[in-house]
Amino acid sequence: DVKVTQSSRYLVKRTGEKVFLECVQDMDHENMFWYRQDPGLGLRLIYFSYDVKMKEKGDIPEGYSVSREKKERFSLILESASTNQTSMYLCASSSLGGQPQHFGDGTRLSIL
Amino acid sequence: KQEVTQIPAALSVPEGENLVLNCSFTDSAIYNLQWFRQDPGKGLTSLLLIQSSQREQTSGRLNASLDKSSGRSTLYIAASQPGDSATYLCAATGGISGGYNKLIFGAGTRLAVHP
Repeated sequence: DVKVTQSSRYLVKRTGEKVFLECVQDMDHENMFWYRQDPGLGLRLIYFSYDVKMKEKGDIPEGYSVSREKKERFSLILESASTNQTSMYLCASSSLGGQPQHFGDGTRLSIL
Repeated sequence: KQEVTQIPAALSVPEGENLVLNCSFTDSAIYNLQWFRQDPGKGLTSLLLIQSSQREQTSGRLNASLDKSSGRSTLYIAASQPGDSATYLCAATGGISGGYNKLIFGAGTRLAVHP
C-alpha cells in the first residue's frame, strides 16, 4: 500500500515564524502535492512538484514556497506565518499524470 | 475554469439502504475523475478512479459511473453500513484549462448511516 507520511498531526506556531511542513512518500511517485482544506472552501491546491527540484504553482501559492530535494520528500514552507494560514494541510502523491492521488493524514496548523 | 459540484451536501439514511451520491463538473475535457472518502479529522482515502475513456469502475459495494457528455459522475453505495459514514469527495482533473495532474474538488457530501 502507498504510504504518505506527514511529519506532524498538529502544530501551533506564532505569527511571523517560518514554518516547515514535511511530507514523505514511499512509492517512488513522481508527483507530489500540497493542499489546504478550509470549511466552506474545500480543498485547494497550493503547489505541486512533478520531479526533483521541479515545482508548479497551484491555485493559492501566495505566502508559501516548496522544496523538493529528494524524490520521496516534499516540503511546504510558510515564509512568515499569518493567522489566515491556520488550516488543515494535506500532502498527496501520485505516479505518472492521471493516476490516483494518495493522501497523508494531514497536519492541522494553528497560527496564533 | 473547471468547477465541481456535489449534491446533496448532506445525507442521512438507515442502514441497508442503497444510495447515490452525485457529482457534476463544468468542463467535460477531463482526464479522469476520482472519488475519495474522508473521515473526521483525517486525510483522504482514494476509493475509485475513472479514466475519461471509461464509463464505470467498481470496488466491492461501490460503483462509480462517468458521463462526460453530461458532465456527471455518480457514486453508488450498495447496502449501506454505519461504517460508511464519512464525507465523500469527488475530484476532476482540470479540463481544457488545467493539467491532468491538477484535481479540482467538490465540497463533498456528508453521509450518515444510522443503525
